[in-house]
Amino acid sequence: QKEVEQDPGPLSVPEGAIVSLNCTYSNSAFQYFMWYRQYSRKGPELLMYTYSSGNKEDGRFTAQVDKSSKYISLFIRDSQPSDSATYLCAMNPLDAGGTSYGKLTFGQGTILTVHP
Amino acid sequence: DVKVTQSSRYLVKRTGEKVFLECVQDMDHENMFWYRQDPGLGLRLIYFSYDVKMKEKGDIPEGYSVSREKKERFSLILESASTNQTSMYLCASSRRDTQYFGPGTRLTVL
Repeated sequence: QKEVEQDPGPLSVPEGAIVSLNCTYSNSAFQYFMWYRQYSRKGPELLMYTYSSGNKEDGRFTAQVDKSSKYISLFIRDSQPSDSATYLCAMNPLDAGGTSYGKLTFGQGTILTVHP
Repeated sequence: DVKVTQSSRYLVKRTGEKVFLECVQDMDHENMFWYRQDPGLGLRLIYFSYDVKMKEKGDIPEGYSVSREKKERFSLILESASTNQTSMYLCASSRRDTQYFGPGTRLTVL
């Protein structure tokens, strides 16, 4: 079983739709959670970052973390064609000393297409 | 602004050639990473480095080596390129929790 499982998609939605992207994980040591967006033929760019359970909003994007269920989501409101990209969830554990070294475990990625 | 640069966007090499991929970051980050990304397989970690002259194997180190002589520069070396190393190679750097990626190098080995 992979440490991080991401809904593979692909996902195709009309412009203006609400999009939900999801990942589950099995390692309780994961404490930091990120979402990256990757446009075609480009490197991933950091979209959202959170370390606590609950919701974090940034414009049209909301990152949700449920540590008890080991489940994270990214919601995109009023989706736009410019949101068409691959979305990657990523997680970072703390070691026994409570230190994070920046080594991430990534989901497989979900390809999202938003049609005008 | 965060900046990670990679030496080439596209590279075509022949089987058996020695290939160098260079990555430079200007953020004074301690940690640097090399990944390859293939359709259906996601991002796979090849090697990472926590400090100058330090390196650790990732999940798929076979056929690769790395060099980190200066803090800002992390090189990936394919000693003898093979066709199964055709892929997108991504470099990243981080100080603590989040990684910042370069634009990637699409390597084709013929």
